[in-house]
Amino acid sequence: DVKVTQSSRYLVKRTGEKVFLECVQDMDHENMFWYRQDPGLGLRLIYFSYDVKMKEKGDIPEGYSVSREKKERFSLILESASTNQTSMYLCASITGTPNTEAFFGQGTRLTVV
Amino acid sequence: AQTVTQSQPEMSVQEAETVTLSCTYDTSENNYYLFWYKQPPSRQMILVIRQEAYKQQNATENRFSVNFQKAAKSFSLKISDSQLGDTAMYFCASSTSGTYKYIFGTGTRLKVLA
Repeated sequence: DVKVTQSSRYLVKRTGEKVFLECVQDMDHENMFWYRQDPGLGLRLIYFSYDVKMKEKGDIPEGYSVSREKKERFSLILESASTNQTSMYLCASITGTPNTEAFFGQGTRLTVV
Repeated sequence: AQTVTQSQPEMSVQEAETVTLSCTYDTSENNYYLFWYKQPPSRQMILVIRQEAYKQQNATENRFSVNFQKAAKSFSLKISDSQLGDTAMYFCASSTSGTYKYIFGTGTRLKVLA
């Protein structure tokens, strides 16, 4: 059974903290994505990675960075968390071909106070 | 630029009836793919149906079918014989062979009424 696992389901952090959101997939997928989901705005792409150590900015990369040291793991980093980064974060992975199904983690609801 | 637009924030349908969710998209790529995903209250995203742009025939998966109008850049989802378990957020999405970017719309919240 395919699996994408996000390290936390709920997270509360303070303004200014450095926050790490981890995502691990066990399907040997080349491509991994980080989205944030907000009511009325849908899923917005933050960053994606098509190979180890490779990354591309999505539509809203400001305030975020990513790390992909191993194929199975894609980390989202909030360098200095702010209240406007309170959101649901979703990780996804797909194979090397773009017409295939994206597999999602269960989401991390991050609250920055 | 690659964009996906869903103009219906919320919809409702009576159980056993048919409902159509709308989606329009834009892309400069020739090779692209379109998807509908479902997100139930559990938050787990599930693929409902997919369509390759080069295929003229509309995709069908059991009670779910699409109406793909390439010239109009329209990709609507029809749910027949709606069931209570169809209550969820539905997202339209596109990907391209050029960039591998997987882009989603803003979603339509569907409620199936008993």
